[in-house]
Amino acid sequence: GAVVSQHPSRVICKSGTSVKIECRSLDFQATTMFWYRQFPKQSLMLMATSNEGSKATYEQGVEKDKFLINHASLTLSTLTVTSAHPEDSSFYICSAGTGTGNTIYFGEGSWLTVV
Amino acid sequence: GQNIDQPTEMTATEGAIVQINCTYQTSGFNGLFWYQQHAGEAPTFLSYNVLDGLEEKGRFSSFLSRSKGYSYLLLKELQMKDSASYLCAVRGWLTGGGNKLTFGTGTQLKVEL
Repeated sequence: GAVVSQHPSRVICKSGTSVKIECRSLDFQATTMFWYRQFPKQSLMLMATSNEGSKATYEQGVEKDKFLINHASLTLSTLTVTSAHPEDSSFYICSAGTGTGNTIYFGEGSWLTVV
Repeated sequence: GQNIDQPTEMTATEGAIVQINCTYQTSGFNGLFWYQQHAGEAPTFLSYNVLDGLEEKGRFSSFLSRSKGYSYLLLKELQMKDSASYLCAVRGWLTGGGNKLTFGTGTQLKVEL
């Protein structure tokens, strides 16, 4: 079964509104989680590193005030897309790992459509 | 920073063998991953290499040469369901440990009859 769960899997929102996506680690605690964005026919682009109990670390070119990340517990990180625009429509996916080795798990992904 | 290159597209025949190459230039290296991704779905883990050499897992094998910054994914006995995007990803170093992956552009594989 899934060890990292995302919700919602699909969401449609109106332009100008905000939408929240949740990422949960189910069987382990994750001090760091990662948020990626993927446009059609492109690869995954890292947006930010979510750090439990502290501020997220954003990749260059990603607006921290637009993509709010909160990692309030060891099993939950949330990504809030604020003042959404149609160009924010994309596949958002999170990942978390238990440590070293190949134990990196991806959530199911969330399709965001802004109309 | 990280720079990871893969061919954009490849086509192969059902039952054949295909090799997908990945070259990388990174400021730090802590493992290389291969993922399979079908359209609209999350990536699925295929293989992991951190030491030089070949890792075999059923129909899939992955090779790594750290000195050359090179990896390949080998798919044997291709099936139609193997048509997907194959992503090469490198894990860099992150203070305190961590699992930050940088992905290549992905290789779209089409398997034909």
